[in-house]
Amino acid sequence: DSGVTQTPKHLITATGQRVTLRCSPRSGDLSVYWYQQSLDQGLQFLIQYYNGEERAKGNILERFSAQQFPDLHSELNLSSLELGDSALYFCASSGGESPTNEKLFFGSGTQLSVL
Amino acid sequence: EDQVTQSPEALRLQEGESSSLNCSYTVSGLRGLFWYRQDPGKGPEFLFTLYSAGEEKEKERLKATLTKKESFLHITAPKPEDSATYLCAVQTTGFQKLVFGTGTRLLVSP
Repeated sequence: DSGVTQTPKHLITATGQRVTLRCSPRSGDLSVYWYQQSLDQGLQFLIQYYNGEERAKGNILERFSAQQFPDLHSELNLSSLELGDSALYFCASSGGESPTNEKLFFGSGTQLSVL
Repeated sequence: EDQVTQSPEALRLQEGESSSLNCSYTVSGLRGLFWYRQDPGKGPEFLFTLYSAGEEKEKERLKATLTKKESFLHITAPKPEDSATYLCAVQTTGFQKLVFGTGTRLLVSP
């Protein structure tokens, strides 16, 4: 068990809809990362938050947004969903108080299916 | 653009048959290279970090090595429980995010 909790485990929705994925990092970790994993592209970095502030942004679509709350849990919001958004979404946390600690602990992921 | 390429895409071994997985990378500046193991339906699990050419790390039947252009994950006398997808990732000195390869799916048959 990595100590990172993601909910829900599975999500099935329709095109055009909006969903929220939730992540609780390991105790003491201030950094939260979101990754998207699809069969053809592997793990793609979306965004990183450190202690409530956005720290790094990757290939995140404008339809997607995230935030990290004062209790350090994070949410990834996906809107105007398209079929191509179907993927496994992972949250990871790292580093205790360091914003650049690279050893990531991943949650079990949320499998999103857009029909 | 930073790139990580892993080969082979899939590898099937008999129990006890040693082999190596390759990770080649092209980055502007390397801060560290990482190996993760991913089991079906689970998130990646950290294995090793390598920081400089010539460095080696070992864990049970796994040994990771690093050169200036690639890394190898050597698997000695594998067991069926070593079956998983092995992911390589690099952290660059600039952006500092991890760039992952697409992985090698390893299947070890008894």
